[in-house]
Amino acid sequence: KQEVTQIPAALSVPEGENLVLNCSFTDSAIYNLQWFRQDPGKGLTSLLLIQSSQREQTSGRLNASLDKSSGRSTLYIAASQPGDSATYLCAVMSGGFKTIFGAGTRLFVKA
Amino acid sequence: SAVISQKPSRDICQRGTSLTIQCQVDSQVTMMFWYRQQPGQSLTLIATANQGSEATYESGFVIDKFPISRPNLTFSTLTVSNMSPEDSSIYLCSVDGGTQSYEQYFGPGTRLTVT
Repeated sequence: KQEVTQIPAALSVPEGENLVLNCSFTDSAIYNLQWFRQDPGKGLTSLLLIQSSQREQTSGRLNASLDKSSGRSTLYIAASQPGDSATYLCAVMSGGFKTIFGAGTRLFVKA
Repeated sequence: SAVISQKPSRDICQRGTSLTIQCQVDSQVTMMFWYRQQPGQSLTLIATANQGSEATYESGFVIDKFPISRPNLTFSTLTVSNMSPEDSSIYLCSVDGGTQSYEQYFGPGTRLTVT
């Protein structure tokens, strides 16, 4: 059974700092891994999708890496801004096209 | 990408009643998914709904409690039946992007409070 863990659960950083969010999963047989952002009381916004055959994806200040063999992914946010404050969710799609979510990392960027 | 809308955006319901949530997509998609997000928790998959077949429910979720319809490739409904306060959650609809990547897109969610 796939399990997804995110560390840390919460993070508070000053504006401008670079930061890394971690995601680990127990079963390496995945189709893809997706990072989402969720603002309070809102739906999910897709940030980056990494296919199982890929090692990383980049979008603007965001970079996500995937090491399928070790069951790990990281989301790197460069030059953080107050507008980046949100909960970041890691989601893994495995067999049967089922997606399992981690508990999320709540990020607060201080101005 | 896919644009997804949900109705209602929020509702407050009495215990014992039922609520039907609608999910509309701007393009035809094969797979639609319903999730529940309880307060302070992450997302849990309720069921997968494919057009023309019965929904597939995850462990802990049953059709009598969460009946789902999928009449066509752009629309689905989830009903929360015989509600109790424990059903207070955000319910989210998602779809795959229709490409080989299986990227998922989410609707804005329906915030349900049961009193």
